[in-house]
Amino acid sequence: DAGVTQSPTHLIKTRGQHVTLRCSPISGHKSVSWYQQVLGQGPQFIFQYYEKEERGRGNFPDRFSARQFPNYSSELNVNALLLGDSALYLCASSLVRGVAEAFFGQGTRLTVV
Amino acid sequence: AQTVTQSQPEMSVQEAETVTLSCTYDTSESDYYLFWYKQPPSRQMILVIRQEAYKQQNATENRFSVNFQKAAKSFSLKISDSQLGDAAMYFCAYGTGANSKLTFGKGITLSVRP
Repeated sequence: DAGVTQSPTHLIKTRGQHVTLRCSPISGHKSVSWYQQVLGQGPQFIFQYYEKEERGRGNFPDRFSARQFPNYSSELNVNALLLGDSALYLCASSLVRGVAEAFFGQGTRLTVV
Repeated sequence: AQTVTQSQPEMSVQEAETVTLSCTYDTSESDYYLFWYKQPPSRQMILVIRQEAYKQQNATENRFSVNFQKAAKSFSLKISDSQLGDAAMYFCAYGTGANSKLTFGKGITLSVRP
């Protein structure tokens, strides 16, 4: 069975640009969460989507948005990129809404120059 | 707000020996989960072990076990018979059943000496 897949694995963007990151959860998982991991730190929660609705939001500016599609895949969008947005973006999927068990993808490494 | 603290930035262990990684947390909730995740250079966060707060028995998974002290809000990970493949960043994390938000500590870099 395929695990959580994220695309792209790496990308480089210029300040002010927009970026879209994608995540496909494990088959049958309905919950997708997004995390930002700055170098040398632990991941920080950005969003959780369950059954296509936003169920949780972390302390991130409105430049960050996300959505979940009918097939439970998800996109994370970041507008007006700043240098400080450079990080590893992790997606986690779980069967249900709670955190009993969350499975992570390999992440997307975003570099803003 | 819930917080997770890992005060040791780095640790080193000799292959085949035992090492303990420390974690403390703060919460006002009575029902929650605690996790240890491993992040190797490949970047993927891998679940090592999980503890449910309502269970008094400490969780074990093969060479990995935890010492869960609920009153002290302490959750340490013991790795027995350390292997070279155990070298990675280890993160302690907290979560509740209400949503899928995980709160992570800053992590600890574990190196294993051959």
